[in-house]
Formats: sequence, structure tokens, C-alpha cells
Amino acid sequence: AQRVTQPEKLLSVFKGAPVELKCNYSYSGSPELFWYVQYSRQRLQLLLRHISRESIKGFTADLNKGETSFHLKKPFAQEEDSAMYYCALGGATNKLIFGTGTLLAVQP
Amino acid sequence: DTGVSQDPRHKITKRGQNVTFRCDPISEHNRLYWYRQTLGQGPEFLTYFQNEAQLEKSRLLSDRFSAERPKGSFSTLEIQRTEQGDSAMYLCASSPGGGDTQYFGPGTRLTVL
Repeated sequence: AQRVTQPEKLLSVFKGAPVELKCNYSYSGSPELFWYVQYSRQRLQLLLRHISRESIKGFTADLNKGETSFHLKKPFAQEEDSAMYYCALGGATNKLIFGTGTLLAVQP
Repeated sequence: DTGVSQDPRHKITKRGQNVTFRCDPISEHNRLYWYRQTLGQGPEFLTYFQNEAQLEKSRLLSDRFSAERPKGSFSTLEIQRTEQGDSAMYLCASSPGGGDTQYFGPGTRLTVL
């Protein structure tokens, strides 16, 4: 079965600390992985996708097929990074399967 | 604003009533998706269209739900005989084609009393 697991509902860090948001997936084919972010009172928006291998707002994510993971990382958290982060899996049918999300709270 | 738009943004209805939501995708996007999000959960896929053709429906989409995209542009999602369990945020997304980035609208929050 296709599934995305985000084990942490809440991650609280101090400004300047490293951040790692965990995402594990289950998929039998060739996965496409995404990170979406939702800032307060804003719509869901794409942060990054694994095939582009871009770094957006200092965030990076590497697809590890052996561990079936796609963790989101940032070396130094900023207060404006506080938001809800969703990991999503796309496959042959192009629908997205989302995890339950992790709320990142960056304390000053 | 050339992003995905949804109307209404909020809808409060009584159990048993019918409701209809509208989604206007980004111009020239061929794919249109509907998702539902309940409290504490990520969005869950409901259905999607390639132009006017509805290509896939989730098992979540009971026979009380129907979606259309008559001219391959805007889409409507209708829920008949609403139940309290239908209370959720209904999200629409569009993409240029399959495999492309999906752009989300602001959502319609439905409350069934």
C-alpha cells in the first residue's frame, strides 16, 4: 500500500538550530516525493520536489530509496520557517498521498 | 491573482442539505484535482480530471459526491444529503499535466451542523 509517514506532529527548535523533518514512505514503484508547506493563513504551496534537487529557502531533501526516506533539512532555522510541513508521494496516477504533517515552531 | 481560486471559502449547512463548491484552476492547466482535509490530517485525494474527463475517483467519494468539469475549465464538487462527517476543508489543485507540480487553491471549509 502507498503510504507516507511523518512521525512528528510538532517539532520545536530555537532560531539558528538545525532542523530535520522526517518523512518515510511506502511505494512499490518509482516514487516522486514532494515537500509542501503551509504558512499561517496561506494556501498549501510546494517547497521542493526530489527530481529538481533544488534548495529552496535553505531547505534540502534527499531521497534515500534504501531507507525509503525523504527527510527535510535546514542547517539554521529562521523564525519565518514556522509553518506546517507536509511530505507527499506521487506515483503513476499523479495523485498525491500526503503525510499527516509536522508543525515546525521556531522559537526566538 | 492568477492562482487557483475556490468559491465559497466557507460554507455552513444543516445536515441533509446539498452543497456545491466551485474551483477555477490556473488558466490552461489540463489537470484538476480535488482533495479533502480533516483536522489533524493531511489532504486526502478524492478525484481528478484530465480536461473534462474524470479519470480517477477515490473510495472516499461516496455516491453522495459528484464532481464535474464540463468544459475542461472550472470544476464543481457537489455533496448531496450532507452528513456531519462531511465537515472538512475541500481543496482543489491544478497542474499543467500529469507529473507536474500541483498548485493548490485556498480551500472551501464546510461545516455541517
